[in-house]
Amino acid sequence: AQSVTQLDSQVPVFEEAPVELRCNYSSSVSVYLFWYVQYPNQGLQLLLKYLSGSTLVESINGFEAEFNKSQTSFHLRKPSVHISDTAEYFCAVSDPRTGGFKTIFGAGTRLFVKA
Amino acid sequence: DTGVSQDPRHKITKRGQNVTFRCDPISEHNRLYWYRQTLGQGPEFLTYFQNEAQLEKSRLLSDRFSAERPKGSFSTLEIQRTEQGDSAMYLCASSGPGQGEETQYFGPGTRLLVL
Repeated sequence: AQSVTQLDSQVPVFEEAPVELRCNYSSSVSVYLFWYVQYPNQGLQLLLKYLSGSTLVESINGFEAEFNKSQTSFHLRKPSVHISDTAEYFCAVSDPRTGGFKTIFGAGTRLFVKA
Repeated sequence: DTGVSQDPRHKITKRGQNVTFRCDPISEHNRLYWYRQTLGQGPEFLTYFQNEAQLEKSRLLSDRFSAERPKGSFSTLEIQRTEQGDSAMYLCASSGPGQGEETQYFGPGTRLLVL
């Protein structure tokens, strides 16, 4: 069975500092990988995803994540964070063989950006 | 299109009562998902519809839970004889056919409190 581990429940960081949110998954088959973000008082929304091809994927607001098959990781990074990046971030995995419908989420990492 | 909507946004009920939640997906989406999210956890998969067919139910979904999507459009999730352990945020998501079908779009959720 697939599972997702987000190693940090909370990450406090100062504005303009770099950040890495860690995600490891367990699966014996190929996977789709996702990062979803939940801003305060808003619903979950997709930040970025890996389906196939290039192992480095980017979002429109400067985040990137790299699929590392040997380490079964999909860590999320941003070189310089803003106050507006304060949110909860969820890593998720699904099985392409089923069209990716059943998505397993990690417990989330709360990113708190301080001025 | 305004995205996925859920109704009600909040529900307080007494133990033993029945509750029903509604989800309206993005209009062209043929897949619909229900998740449950408790404090400090990521969303947990409950069930999934493709059009009107319910294709999978999680073991988390006891006999007290039932979901329907009668015409392949909106869906309802009913909980009978509610228990305090049912208190959670219930999330609905939808995804479309074709390219991008693996990406789920989430509604704002229905927060249930069972007293």
